[in-house]
Amino acid sequence: DSGVTQTPKHLITATGQRVTLRCSPRSGDLSVYWYQQSLDQGLQFLIQYYNGEERAKGNILERFSAQQFPDLHSELNLSSLELGDSALYFCASSTPTGAGETQYFGPGTRLLVL
Amino acid sequence: AQKVTQAQTEISVVEKEDVTLDCVYETRDTTYYLFWYKQPPSGELVFLIRRNSFDEQNEISGRYSWNFQKSTSSFNFTITASQVVDSAVYFCALSEAGSNYQLIWGAGTKLIIKP
Repeated sequence: DSGVTQTPKHLITATGQRVTLRCSPRSGDLSVYWYQQSLDQGLQFLIQYYNGEERAKGNILERFSAQQFPDLHSELNLSSLELGDSALYFCASSTPTGAGETQYFGPGTRLLVL
Repeated sequence: AQKVTQAQTEISVVEKEDVTLDCVYETRDTTYYLFWYKQPPSGELVFLIRRNSFDEQNEISGRYSWNFQKSTSSFNFTITASQVVDSAVYFCALSEAGSNYQLIWGAGTKLIIKP
């Protein structure tokens, strides 16, 4: 158990809908990262937050947004969902030690868009 | 551009055999970090090891060992006396200052250990 929690574990929804994925980092970790794992694209970095502020953006679609709250939990919002958004979404957290910290991953949320 | 290559898509061995998973990386940064993660069939990503670019010492942890060679830009992972529980997808990843330390992933190697 990494100490990172993600809810829900599974999500089934329809095209055009909007969903929210939630992540709670390990105790003491200030950084939260979101990654998408799909069959065709592999693992891809989406976005990073550090202590409530957006720090880095990767291949995140404009239909997707995220935020990190004062209690450090984070939410990833996916809207206008398409079939191709079906994937495993991971959240990771790390302790700020300067650079290249180890990221510990949650169990993931498996999203299926029908 | 930074890149991580895991050329072996799938490896299948019989239990107790040794197996090496290859990882080759590309980066222009002088300071960078390399990682291995394991993804068992249950789907979670489990951290195995982190190495920084200034530490080329090989590491051994039980049946696992890692060989980091800057000269060949490789960070290979060996499992000695493999067990069925080692069956998983293994990912190599790179983190560097130039990319804000996000993880750049290889495609993964699926390891099947047959009893």
